[in-house]
Amino acid sequence: EVQMVESGGGLIHPGGSLRLSCAASGFTVSDSFMTWVRQAPGKGLEWVSIIFSVGNTYYADSVKGRFTISRDNSKNTLYLQMNSLRVEDTAVYYCAREDDNLTPRAFDVWGQGATVIVSS
Amino acid sequence: EIVLTQSPGTLSLSPGERATLSCRASQIISTKYLAWYQQKPGQTPRLLIYGASSRAAGIPDRFRGSGSGTDFTLTISRLEPEDFAVYYCQQYGSSPLITFGQGTRLEIK
Repeated sequence: EVQMVESGGGLIHPGGSLRLSCAASGFTVSDSFMTWVRQAPGKGLEWVSIIFSVGNTYYADSVKGRFTISRDNSKNTLYLQMNSLRVEDTAVYYCAREDDNLTPRAFDVWGQGATVIVSS
Repeated sequence: EIVLTQSPGTLSLSPGERATLSCRASQIISTKYLAWYQQKPGQTPRLLIYGASSRAAGIPDRFRGSGSGTDFTLTISRLEPEDFAVYYCQQYGSSPLITFGQGTRLEIK
């Protein structure tokens, strides 16, 4: 079964750091385009970052310079390192997969979400 | 910067009726790069349509995507009780790389 399980969320003070993990099974993270999408409480979806199979990474302007996306091929796991966190980063963070052969330019498998609360 | 505007913000319909949801882009985008998602309360988003008109695996044929250029539409031909949810369009490939619309809430009338 293709699935992703996220972990690492929690309550953090402004200015702090947190690392989210997204452990994948049923497919290979390094063969896919993997993204992070977040959803603030009661709000819509906001794209955060993506890493392509060849390793290129891209970020939304709102997180550029503060967040870093990466993957560990040996663990088949995607990460999001979040530094200098702000109150407005409070959200549920989803990892999602794009299989370029199945559903190009769209995300067909999503993790269950990890809640990040930034508050003093 | 490309912006996706969805309308209406909320759509109130009854089961069995037809729903038409709109997604308008601030610039022309390729049909290859337009997708639609459904999200129910407390659940993760679910891919419905990719490439503007291709249904994802397991999506019933009452869901149909169409459009080109700057105007895209998601049509649900006969609403089932489980279709009442929030729907998002998404573009991929223009700056910023990936953008979602603000969503349309489809509620039971």
